[in-house]
Amino acid sequence: GENVEQHPSTLSVQEGDSAVIKCTYSDSASNYFPWYKQELGKGPQLIIDIRSNVGEKKDQRIAVTLNKTAKHFSLHITETQPEDSAVYFCASRGNQFYFGTGTSLTVIP
Amino acid sequence: NAGVTQTPKFRILKIGQSMTLQCAQDMNHNYMYWYRQDPGMGLKLIYYSVGAGITDKGEVPNGYNVSRSTTEDFPLRLELAAPSQTSVYFCASSPWDRDGSFGETQYFGPGTRLLVL
Repeated sequence: GENVEQHPSTLSVQEGDSAVIKCTYSDSASNYFPWYKQELGKGPQLIIDIRSNVGEKKDQRIAVTLNKTAKHFSLHITETQPEDSAVYFCASRGNQFYFGTGTSLTVIP
Repeated sequence: NAGVTQTPKFRILKIGQSMTLQCAQDMNHNYMYWYRQDPGMGLKLIYYSVGAGITDKGEVPNGYNVSRSTTEDFPLRLELAAPSQTSVYFCASSPWDRDGSFGETQYFGPGTRLLVL
């Protein structure tokens, strides 16, 4: 099945700086790539997604880029705030959803 | 809308016991899913359903069973609990994808933490 790798596993940034999380996937048939934010004790919540026919998508401080040729996609968070601290998961959809192992983001005030 | 609800929140089982994790959604979504999340790992798909009466295996189905008799409910059954099933279980639902393929935006429940001793 699909293999989704996510890096880094932990990330600390100063408030106001940018954070970038990267994922790679192996199945060239994958066509949908969501990003989820998971706060402690809660279920994952979708924050942004991108389809394979789009190279970039932005929603306020959050953006996602997709490189289909290289089979990788990235989450960019600008002007980070303490409330951005959480675990972030990437996922890819082929015949089912496959998730990355998560990135624990800490924003230091 | 309550969204996706799961019960119980936490449960301790002895090895060999059985239990059913309940999941319900009130968004009239066709797709429903069960995932498990182990420490430091991503979510692994156990089973999914594309509608009432239809279920299919995900990546890690062994030791589990599901049923989907209504659009709203998607219970997960553990028949003979084993320590390897200690995990956090998430249920999710999603509407039809725009192009009719596998479900799109998933809405997750709050999770059930299961400990098998």
